Amino acid sequence: DAKTTQPTSMDCAEGRAANLPCNHSTISGNEYVYWYRQIHSQGPQYIIHGLKNNETNEMASLIITEDRKSSTLILPHATLRDTAVYYCIVRFWGGSRLTFGEGTQLTVNP
Amino acid sequence: GAVVSQHPSRVICKSGTSVKIECRSLDFQATTMFWYRQFPKKSLMLMATSNEGSKATYEQGVEKDKFLINHASLTLSTLTVTSAHPEDSSFYICSASWGGRLSTDTQYFGPGTRLTVL
Repeated sequence: DAKTTQPTSMDCAEGRAANLPCNHSTISGNEYVYWYRQIHSQGPQYIIHGLKNNETNEMASLIITEDRKSSTLILPHATLRDTAVYYCIVRFWGGSRLTFGEGTQLTVNP
Repeated sequence: GAVVSQHPSRVICKSGTSVKIECRSLDFQATTMFWYRQFPKKSLMLMATSNEGSKATYEQGVEKDKFLINHASLTLSTLTVTSAHPEDSSFYICSASWGGRLSTDTQYFGPGTRLTVL
């Protein structure tokens, strides 16, 4: 699976949009981009995934660049409860394995 | 939907004893379940992958005789830490996915089990 690079930490003001970047320059054509988050002392929570097109669900939006070498997870209106470590993971569909990097610690401030 | 539970959430045991952790998929049938371990301030490390009715596949460096995994049904997997020692103290997390034709191949995680070995 392709390696990803994320900033170590980010801050965001409550109520504002949080934009979390992820670089995956070695992604191959049939690898998906998955996003999970882990709130302290809890199991990871699935957020969203995509292949080529931008995706949106009730939690977030995923913007994937046309060359697929990077993506951005957008939390449109961050709340204090969105404070967590966010993981960007690239993997083949059916590849089962999820390889977690260090992720981005997002801190939402009042 | 896609809820995974773990039991117990927290366990403290004496060195040398065995501890069993259960992982259940509550509203779907999990063809594959995964066990991860997470040390403080570190990321998750995959320990093993198990398919229902088959032997688990362990990651390199994980002792299969120490971490016994059973995936007896499509909704239940267990991890038994045998002869636990203080260095086994960690946060153990399971995940589950289903691989049907319409599956999104997404893993859903349990809340984790905090194991402390005295």
